Amino acid sequence: QSALTQPASVSGSPGQSITVSCTGTSSDVENYNLVSWYQQYPGEPPKLVIYEDNKRPSGVSKRFSGSKSGNTASLTISGLQAEDEAHYYCFAYARSGPDWVLGGGTKLTVL
Amino acid sequence: QVQLQEAGPGLLKSSETLSLTCTVSGYSISSGYYWGWIRQPPGKGLEWIGTVYHDWSTYYNPSLESRVTMSVDTSINQFSLKLTSVTAADTAVYYCARAIILSGAHDYWGQGILVSVSS
Repeated sequence: QSALTQPASVSGSPGQSITVSCTGTSSDVENYNLVSWYQQYPGEPPKLVIYEDNKRPSGVSKRFSGSKSGNTASLTISGLQAEDEAHYYCFAYARSGPDWVLGGGTKLTVL
Repeated sequence: QVQLQEAGPGLLKSSETLSLTCTVSGYSISSGYYWGWIRQPPGKGLEWIGTVYHDWSTYYNPSLESRVTMSVDTSINQFSLKLTSVTAADTAVYYCARAIILSGAHDYWGQGILVSVSS
């Protein structure tokens, strides 16, 4: 069970779109097949923004979307706003365990 | 509104046992979710520690399994974490959270508690 790979940082200007990737091994993809994404501000607990690969919880902006292809899950934020500047983490879940494998986190900077 | 609140000592010495509780309000822990612990060392990423179900079934991160014990007390709507033989590497903010069984998504989180381990 190794950590999922995320870029350490991404950046974008207000109004642009950015994508954060979350890559696992073929074993991860086979066994941990449900991905959720979390937004975390400094000093705060994480907040769920995407679950089941591409579903948005009630109250989360439509600017957040998720997808998955092969070994990689992705979080896309469109129409970047200053308030989106935060760390983002992916979690992959195996119902059969159950257990989770987590990504190392990505810091998003809004320029 | 579902709320989770961690409690426990904030400072330990090496080799001691970390004991934390998470009190849940606004939802019964007997009603069909997983209840988990996740930690975050200062300035670093998140790490899943383990998860418990109301029937006392437990699931632990293999890297911590030899030192972790989790339990539930449905009578007071609380679940707990014990981590033995702590070292400075266990210094972290410890979060408790609720996880949806079907999706694994953690939809409610406590505010977190900083536990520091001194040598």
